[in-house]
Amino acid sequence: DGGITQSPKYLFRKEGQNVTLSCEQNLNHDAMYWYRQDPGQGLRLIYYSQIVNDFQKGDIAEGYSVSREKKESFPLTVTSAQKNPTAFYLCASSSIASETQYFGPGTRLLVL
Amino acid sequence: ILNVEQSPQSLHVQEGDSTNFTCSFPSSNFYALHWYRWETAKSPEALFVMTLNGDEKKKGRISATLNTKEGYSYLYIKGSQPEDSATYLCAFLVTGGGNKLTFGTGTQLKVEL
Repeated sequence: DGGITQSPKYLFRKEGQNVTLSCEQNLNHDAMYWYRQDPGQGLRLIYYSQIVNDFQKGDIAEGYSVSREKKESFPLTVTSAQKNPTAFYLCASSSIASETQYFGPGTRLLVL
Repeated sequence: ILNVEQSPQSLHVQEGDSTNFTCSFPSSNFYALHWYRWETAKSPEALFVMTLNGDEKKKGRISATLNTKEGYSYLYIKGSQPEDSATYLCAFLVTGGGNKLTFGTGTQLKVEL
């Protein structure tokens, strides 16, 4: 079954800790995206990548980092510099030919 | 940051009612507008990608229209059913430096029996 997986479903972060959210796709899509959702707000773009070994900052990149070493994988690290990390994080992917984005099930990050 | 607005924020209708909601977006540098449906505990799912002024798309009981000159799109649901309950998101495609979507805050639809 083709799709996007995100893990874990829930993640708890302690003060000062970096945590990494996983996103994997087997759709053979070139582009991948990370969004954050807060209550009452739309999805906001954190980072995106159009091709392996390349990525660009979205609208709210501060306090986050990403890597794109493989086409299938686009992990997001929430660093200690992100002062308000509690949110729902969605990963998406798309092919270059079609802009339609396909979303994973999301990870909810909570701060202890 | 572009401003994409959706109204109303939430909507409660009875089963069988028809309903519609609005997405407003910048009318300059238009490339495409996307509609997604996001059901609780599921992932957002694409409904339509609209590119041409005057475009009208349909999927079952759901349809959408596009006016790029005035910067709005309407989503219509005919004869709402409980399974239509979801948040409906629109997103404006920005090109240049890669394709990026700017999302509205969504319209949360609840269809009651």
